[in-house]
Amino acid sequence: KQEVTQIPAALSVPEGENLVLNCSFTDSAIYNLQWFRQDPGKGLTSLLLIQSSQREQTSGRLNASLDKSSGRSTLYIAASQPGDSATYLCAVEPNAGGTSYGKLTFGQGTILTVHP
Amino acid sequence: SQTIHQWPATLVQPVGSPLSLECTVEGTSNPNLYWYRQAAGRGLQLLFYSVGIGQISSEVPQNLSASRPQDRQFILSSKKLLLSDSGFYLCAWNRGYEQYFGPGTRLTVT
Repeated sequence: KQEVTQIPAALSVPEGENLVLNCSFTDSAIYNLQWFRQDPGKGLTSLLLIQSSQREQTSGRLNASLDKSSGRSTLYIAASQPGDSATYLCAVEPNAGGTSYGKLTFGQGTILTVHP
Repeated sequence: SQTIHQWPATLVQPVGSPLSLECTVEGTSNPNLYWYRQAAGRGLQLLFYSVGIGQISSEVPQNLSASRPQDRQFILSSKKLLLSDSGFYLCAWNRGYEQYFGPGTRLTVT
């Protein structure tokens, strides 16, 4: 059974710092990995999607990498801002053979606080 | 562009009462639809998914059920709520690789 772990569980940094959030998964057989952001009491916002054949994706100050063979992904946030404060979740779509129908397995998330 | 709606936004229900949460998607056709629950300290758990009208798959045994009466409508129901049904319920859709989430419904069972 696929399990997803995110480290650290919480992170507090001063504004302007570059930071890295980690995600690991136990089974390297995946279709893709997706990073989400969740603000308190809100739904999830998709940040980046990395397909299994890709190594990284970039969007603005965000860069996500994927090392499928080692079961790891990192989300790099450059020049952090207070508005980046949120919970960051990673999720994998397992490839168990056949069609997965987009079912995602989530990590527990990293709570990020960026203070001015 | 695509939009996903959920209602109600918040709900407080007594134990044993029925439940109906609704999710609708606009701007796409034949999406895969999903219901997740986010309970405190337990992360996001997939409850149901649907690949078409009337096609529902359950991921976990529970006293909840789901239905898809129309292509872009997904309903989560219960005949009798339990305290353990409290949580944040999220509907999502995809039609490809990326998954998109609705704003969620906060359910408190008292």
